[in-house]
Parts: sequence; C-alpha cells; structure tokens
Amino acid sequence: DADVTQTPRNRITKTGKRIMLECSQTKGHDRMYWYRQDPGLGLRLIYYSFDVKDINKGEISDGYSVSRQAQAKFSLSLESAIPNQTALYFCATSTGPSFNEQFFGPGTRLTVL
Amino acid sequence: AQKVTQAQTEISVVEKEDVTLDCVYETRDTTYYLFWYKQPPSGELVFLIRRNSFDEQNEISGRYSWNFQKSTSSFNFTITASQVVDSAVYFCALRGTGANNLFFGTGTRLTVIP
Repeated sequence: DADVTQTPRNRITKTGKRIMLECSQTKGHDRMYWYRQDPGLGLRLIYYSFDVKDINKGEISDGYSVSRQAQAKFSLSLESAIPNQTALYFCATSTGPSFNEQFFGPGTRLTVL
Repeated sequence: AQKVTQAQTEISVVEKEDVTLDCVYETRDTTYYLFWYKQPPSGELVFLIRRNSFDEQNEISGRYSWNFQKSTSSFNFTITASQVVDSAVYFCALRGTGANNLFFGTGTRLTVIP
C-alpha cells in the first residue's frame, strides 16, 4: 500500500461548488503539506501543518482552507471552486527538521468548469 | 528570496545518450538544501536526492550523478546512458534555513527516444 494516499484521484466539479481533497499517510510523519501544480509553474505551497494543532498559510492560500483531523490526515477544501483552481494537487509529508525530504502522494487532478 | 531556475523546458535525447539537466538557484541563506524530484508520466513525484549547502561533494548513484557548485549556484543533474524509462519531468527544488516549504523550479521535461 502507498505511504501517502490522496482521494479522489480525479474530480470534475462546477464553479461555486465546495470541494474537499483528502490526504492520508502511514509514514508516521508529523509534517504535512498541500501543493498545487500548474503547467509551466512548478509546484507552489498552499498550506502546511507541523502537527495537529499547527496550521500555516503557504504561498497561495487564498480560496483554500485546510483541516488537520489527526496526525495522519490533512484535508484541503475549496469553499467555492473557481476555474483557475483547476490544477494538479499534491499532498506531501516529512519529518522534522526542515531540511528532510518530502514524500508526495499520487496527486489529485481537479477540474473546475 | 528563494528562487530556482530550470532554463531547459524540454529536452529530447536518443536512448543511450548522456543528458544534463541544469538547475540554478538563488538564496541569501548560508545554509540551504537542494533537491531533485522526478515526475514520470504517471504523475507522482519521486524523491531523487538531497544536498546540503555545506557539502559540495558530487554524488553518483548508478546512472545518475549530481554536480553541486556553490560558486555558480548550480546543482546540475546528469543521466548517463539514458533509457526510455528516464522520460519524465524533473524538478529541482530549494529549501532555505527556516523556510517551511520547498521552492520548486518549473521543471524540465525529458523525452528519451528509443
């Protein structure tokens, strides 16, 4: 089984809908991250969490919210989806300290019509 | 500010050729970490290597090698005797001291032609 899983893997939705992307990990890592990938732009950080009670905004947090339900679960929500949120979304995990490599989930492809 | 530049958007090589993927970074931190990730057509991101700023020793892992040069702020990645399975998008990333995320370059799409 994969160490970092994301559900759903693909989602098509309409403008204005609320969407939740979920991430679970079995690696036992305390740190979790959400990134989005757009063609030609690489990956950009949306939110990150260093433990269950810690939530921090990343580079592009507007229009998104997150919830760290447990050490192993980190969800990303789009309260009212818009077409420019169409992207590939990745969850990642790591242990401390900060220079440790991050391990990525398989990604969720989201299309907002 | 942290920045990673991968000037090569796409590269095509014929199988068994050697290929070098360039990565140039910018940071004001004296201690930082550099990474390479591979994204095959299936879409997942696979960690390849991490390099600390205070360790300029080059590294070789099978057909892969990395050349880290602080003097030119570069961390280039060479694949020797390329194979079709090397076809992927390769990302270089930087993490500075105290930074909480990786700063990614825009990636280089490598296509290995049989």
